[in-house]
Amino acid sequence: GAVVSQHPSRVICKSGTSVKIECRSLDFQATTMFWYRQFPKQSLMLMATSNEGSKATYEQGVEKDKFLINHASLTLSTLTVTSAHPEDSSFYICSARDPRKHSGNTIYFGEGSWLTVV
Amino acid sequence: KQEVTQIPAALSVPEGENLVLNCSFTDSAIYNLQWFRQDPGKGLTSLLLIQSSQREQTSGRLNASLDKSSGRSTLYIAASQPGDSATYLCAVILDKLIFGTGTRLQVFP
Repeated sequence: GAVVSQHPSRVICKSGTSVKIECRSLDFQATTMFWYRQFPKQSLMLMATSNEGSKATYEQGVEKDKFLINHASLTLSTLTVTSAHPEDSSFYICSARDPRKHSGNTIYFGEGSWLTVV
Repeated sequence: KQEVTQIPAALSVPEGENLVLNCSFTDSAIYNLQWFRQDPGKGLTSLLLIQSSQREQTSGRLNASLDKSSGRSTLYIAASQPGDSATYLCAVILDKLIFGTGTRLQVFP
């Protein structure tokens, strides 16, 4: 079963409003989580690295004031898209690293969230 | 800066063909390399993970190879089926995943 849960899977919001997406690690404590965005027919682009208890590290070109990331606990990271605009409509997906593993697959992905801003 | 490129960008083949998808990366200092499948509107499904010390991994009809020195990985799909139609992504793993540009595969009956 899924080890990383993302919610909601689909959300529609009005332009100018804010929307929050949650990413939870279900059976491990994730000190590091990652947020990606994917526009139609394009590859996944890393937006930011979310570190528990500290500020997120944003990739170049990602507005930190627009995409607020909070990683307040070891099992939950949230991405809030503030003052959403239609161009923010995209597929957002999170992943989490299992710190107990030092080899093999250590990173697990959520199911993704489709955001549509109307 | 690590860049990951996949060739071809799109591929359409008849059922039964053997396929090779290519992934190249610019910085060989990677930890692992992973191949994913993404169906339209869905999340990612991990196919194969190759650790930096390995040269290949196999799962069913899939075989992935890794040549760190040349910065290349290939995903071989044997006897393709319509159900293999999806976008295939490779990702190199450092302290984070850097995804390739993807290959959209369509296998027609």
